[in-house]
Amino acid sequence: EVQLVESGGGLVQPGGSLRLSCAASGFSFSSYWMSWVRQAPGKRLEWVANINQDGSEKNYVDSVKGRFTISRDNAKNSLYLQMNSLRAEDTAVYYCAKYGSGWFDYWGQGTLVTVSS
Amino acid sequence: EIVLTQSPATLSLSPGERATLSCRASQSVSSYLAWYQHKPGQAPRLLIYDASNRATGIPARFSGSGSGTDFTLTISSLEPEDFAVYYCQQRSNWWTFGQGTKVEIK
Repeated sequence: EVQLVESGGGLVQPGGSLRLSCAASGFSFSSYWMSWVRQAPGKRLEWVANINQDGSEKNYVDSVKGRFTISRDNAKNSLYLQMNSLRAEDTAVYYCAKYGSGWFDYWGQGTLVTVSS
Repeated sequence: EIVLTQSPATLSLSPGERATLSCRASQSVSSYLAWYQHKPGQAPRLLIYDASNRATGIPARFSGSGSGTDFTLTISSLEPEDFAVYYCQQRSNWWTFGQGTKVEIK
């Protein structure tokens, strides 16, 4: 059974940093692209970033470029999102998603990030 | 950016009824469209991909149709567990999602 479990969310002040983690199990983690998708309160889902199988290719939505860094550790079956210079508009539930056959075929339950003073 | 617009925002139906959800793209996405089901506090679940293909384990009461800019998700006979929010998503140009349709119990 595919499982994705996010952690690391919490309350952080504007300008602060946070590192999200996603523990994957039930599939060959190193064989798949992985993504982060977020949903701000009352807003639609938004793709944030993705990373290829060996971590050599990464893509970001414009609003987080230069502030967020996606990475992975295939030995630990883990995906990460380092978030720096956080803004109020980054407040959202962040989901880790497996990208299989061109779609987000499995998701975690999400971790809440709140940016507020 | 390709904008996806879903309608209606809310659908109030009874178990056993048919649900028809619409998703319109601001430009053609060919058949690169998926549908997801999302319940509060749970992980979103892929239902339909490539506009009309059911994902693994998805019941046959869920079907998708359409191509280009107009797409439909149909639930032929609503079960109690089907009341949720449904999102469409395209991958023709990066990845964007619709704003969701809530299917609620009437």
